[in-house]
Amino acid sequence: DGGITQSPKYLFRKEGQNVTLSCEQNLNHDAMYWYRQDPGQGLRLIYYSQIVNDFQKGDIAEGYSVSREKKESFPLTVTSAQKNPTAFYLCASSRGQGRLGFTDTQYFGPGTRLTVL
Amino acid sequence: QKEVEQDPGPLSVPEGAIVSLNCTYSNSAFQYFMWYRQYSRKGPELLMYTYSSGNKEDGRFTAQVDKSSKYISLFIRDSQPSDSATYLCAMSGSGSARQLTFGSGTQLTVLP
Repeated sequence: DGGITQSPKYLFRKEGQNVTLSCEQNLNHDAMYWYRQDPGQGLRLIYYSQIVNDFQKGDIAEGYSVSREKKESFPLTVTSAQKNPTAFYLCASSRGQGRLGFTDTQYFGPGTRLTVL
Repeated sequence: QKEVEQDPGPLSVPEGAIVSLNCTYSNSAFQYFMWYRQYSRKGPELLMYTYSSGNKEDGRFTAQVDKSSKYISLFIRDSQPSDSATYLCAMSGSGSARQLTFGSGTQLTVLP
């Protein structure tokens, strides 16, 4: 049963704490992405990775960090430097952008809702 | 001005109605257009994918792209209560501009 899993489903963070959100995929996809979703603002790209051991900043990378040590895994750390971390976080994956002239359909996980206490 | 504009709604229609959802965009480099459906507290799921201008039909859903007007639409025929969700448009260019840009989503409720 292929898909993308995210854990935990709900996460609570205290002020000044770092937290890590998990994202795992068994679709054999090369590319993985992290988005943040706030009410009325759609999805905003935090970080993406097109291949293992490489990742790029998205539009709102400040206060976040990622790693891509394995093809299947792309964890996101929300650091204490992120001033407004309460949001719904979505991980996605896609096959990769190897085919010229074709975009790369992204498939999403179920999301993690992070709340700062 | 946002690159992609989408009316947030909320939009309420009776069961069986035809629903029209729309997005406008400003980046003429966009060539690939997608519609995602997102149920409450869930991740988005891909509904329709089109390339360049034209129509694409899949069951009760039709996606239209008018690149000359920078305008895309999703039509839902014979709408059902199970269609109640937030619909997100997304688009991308090619080459180095392949990252997706999303609209803010339209919340749809189909009343039984």
